[in-house]
Amino acid sequence: RKEVEQDPGPFNVPEGATVAFNCTYSNSASQSFFWYRQDCRKEPKLLMSVYSSGNEDGRFTAQLNRASQYISLLIRDSKLSDSATYLCVVDVGGYQKVTFGTGTKLQVIP
Amino acid sequence: GAVVSQHPSWVICKSGTSVKIECRSLDFQATTMFWYRQFPKQSLMLMATSNEGSKATYEQGVEKDKFLINHASLTLSTLTVTSAHPEDSSFYICSARDRGDRQVGQPQHFGDGTRLSIL
Repeated sequence: RKEVEQDPGPFNVPEGATVAFNCTYSNSASQSFFWYRQDCRKEPKLLMSVYSSGNEDGRFTAQLNRASQYISLLIRDSKLSDSATYLCVVDVGGYQKVTFGTGTKLQVIP
Repeated sequence: GAVVSQHPSWVICKSGTSVKIECRSLDFQATTMFWYRQFPKQSLMLMATSNEGSKATYEQGVEKDKFLINHASLTLSTLTVTSAHPEDSSFYICSARDRGDRQVGQPQHFGDGTRLSIL
């Protein structure tokens, strides 16, 4: 089983739609979880950290399910500018190192 | 916010050339920096962890003699790709953690990346 698994997509959604991505991780000792966004040929940029109680930042909501070892990202009212690859990032059992998922590609269509 | 500067952003050179990439934390000190590599349509793969004042820790399968890492100060780490060949062409990205971020859950700060093309 891969350390971090994501559906590569692409997810093609119309503007205004709600879309959700899941990411599963294999290390039950992991403590830090993040969603990053990566635009084509650019470096990853932090979208949001994921907290145990779940957290929201505007149109974006992140959830953590430790029992099932997955995190999710919900994007409401999708904008064209949300088109990107979304990377799930999980620490390696509490150490500073992190592992990146392969990313889920989102394409928001006018 | 925390800024990491990576230089150069783009390199094209002949096979056999050695290429040095710099990663600087501009407004914070980083005892640890990370070097990643990303091939097209693949995820970022950690190559090595760079520790200030000590030897880097390389991931399995990464040749330490080919990818030389130096982390001589709290704000600068360098990656040198020695005798680069076309298969080394990739997107190299560094990241750093603020030494003041001692809590679990603090994200890494990424440089802009270096696109390396070996002809």
